[in-house]
Amino acid sequence: SQWGEENLQALSIQEGEDVTMNCSYKTYTTVVQWYRQKSGKGPALIILIRSNEREKRSGRLRATLDTSSQSSSLSITGTLATDTAVYFCAMTNSAGNKLTFGIGTRVLVRP
Amino acid sequence: EAAVTQSPRNKVAVTGGKVTLSCNQTNNHNNMYWYRQDTGHGLRLIHYSYGAGSTEKGDIPDGYKASRPSQENFSLILELATPSQTSVYFCASGDSGNTLYFGEGSRLIVV
Repeated sequence: SQWGEENLQALSIQEGEDVTMNCSYKTYTTVVQWYRQKSGKGPALIILIRSNEREKRSGRLRATLDTSSQSSSLSITGTLATDTAVYFCAMTNSAGNKLTFGIGTRVLVRP
Repeated sequence: EAAVTQSPRNKVAVTGGKVTLSCNQTNNHNNMYWYRQDTGHGLRLIHYSYGAGSTEKGDIPDGYKASRPSQENFSLILELATPSQTSVYFCASGDSGNTLYFGEGSRLIVV
């Protein structure tokens, strides 16, 4: 497996709160992608961070990548009920031809 | 409009029967992928393709075949379906940066 400690989690938070989820990986990567999957739908990319960026922001989303500790995090500030979803981190293998997903973090935002 | 469409969306098959899951993309991406999603395992790669006529084994290819007759179409074939193949299957196309665009999934139950 390309993943370290598996990041299966379920979080329940109140609308308006901030949430952070983490993933760690074993093998070297230069890009980590974060996907969101809403109920009954396929995953969709929400943010991508490269090894030379350390931090990337997009609206209420913030991703970090620490290549020295081989970990990435995704934060959502001021959550909305519509943020309820499963969030996956994903990394490209060394050959650059396959994307491997973590187990995911289930986030429930209560209105 | 949806750029990656899967059919059928729901399927009940008998053990030992043949199942074909179809995927069509209008993204004009060279790469296409089949994943299965099971609770506790996240998304696992079954087969992928670099273009028409090519198929490659992913991380869990046993019991599955794939076919890529054209740029747009990529099928997943279960020659002898087993109950352990009950799952939700996702097709995706991938751009040159290895970002994936998923369909809405095909739910397969093998009885």
